[in-house]
Amino acid sequence: QQQVKQSPQSLIVQKGGISIINCAYENTAFDYFPWYQQFPGKGPALLIAIRPDVSEKKEGRFTISFNKSAKQFSLHIMDSQPGDSATYFCAATKATGNQFYFGTGTSLTVIP
Amino acid sequence: DAGVTQSPTHLIKTRGQQVTLRCSPISGHKSVSWYQQVLGQGPQFIFQYYEKEERGRGNFPDRFSARQFPNYSSELNVNALLLGDSALYLCASSFGLPNTEAFFGQGTRLTVV
Repeated sequence: QQQVKQSPQSLIVQKGGISIINCAYENTAFDYFPWYQQFPGKGPALLIAIRPDVSEKKEGRFTISFNKSAKQFSLHIMDSQPGDSATYFCAATKATGNQFYFGTGTSLTVIP
Repeated sequence: DAGVTQSPTHLIKTRGQQVTLRCSPISGHKSVSWYQQVLGQGPQFIFQYYEKEERGRGNFPDRFSARQFPNYSSELNVNALLLGDSALYLCASSFGLPNTEAFFGQGTRLTVV
């Protein structure tokens, strides 16, 4: 059973546009939600993370929006650049737990 | 400052063989987790070790085993390899528990033929 559902599977955005990736979860015990960026042949790199006590977190061009009541969170990439082309994974975990539950990934392509 | 290092980077094995993958966590990190990433999918949790003790195990068969050494490095062993074990095996390290702010290595690409 997929604990974290991610959409879309793939996304094509023009340079300078906004990329939006969505995730949904079921387990209300989850209390830490990171996003990872993965380039081909590399391991996932921690991009930004949020805890459910805030509704939004921004770091540079990357913003997480969090809706606790809907059990959804999303990644917004502002002013998307070709260098942002990668696969993005959302994840969730319980702080007292021992594993991350990952979404299925979104392949982002930013067209120059 | 070195990140998480994994070795080897690539490996080709034959069905039925055994394989050992190695991971060195970030200096000062005491927790190591292993994940399997099949092509086109998100990573799936295999094991977590903290202070040399197993703290969690995912839904993987007993052919998979791991251990953590006094210097916090770790090994993942897989016996009786199957074609379906072909995947990218990722090691993640974190300072301790709770298991947040996990940093991944570049992985070991295992191909079983």
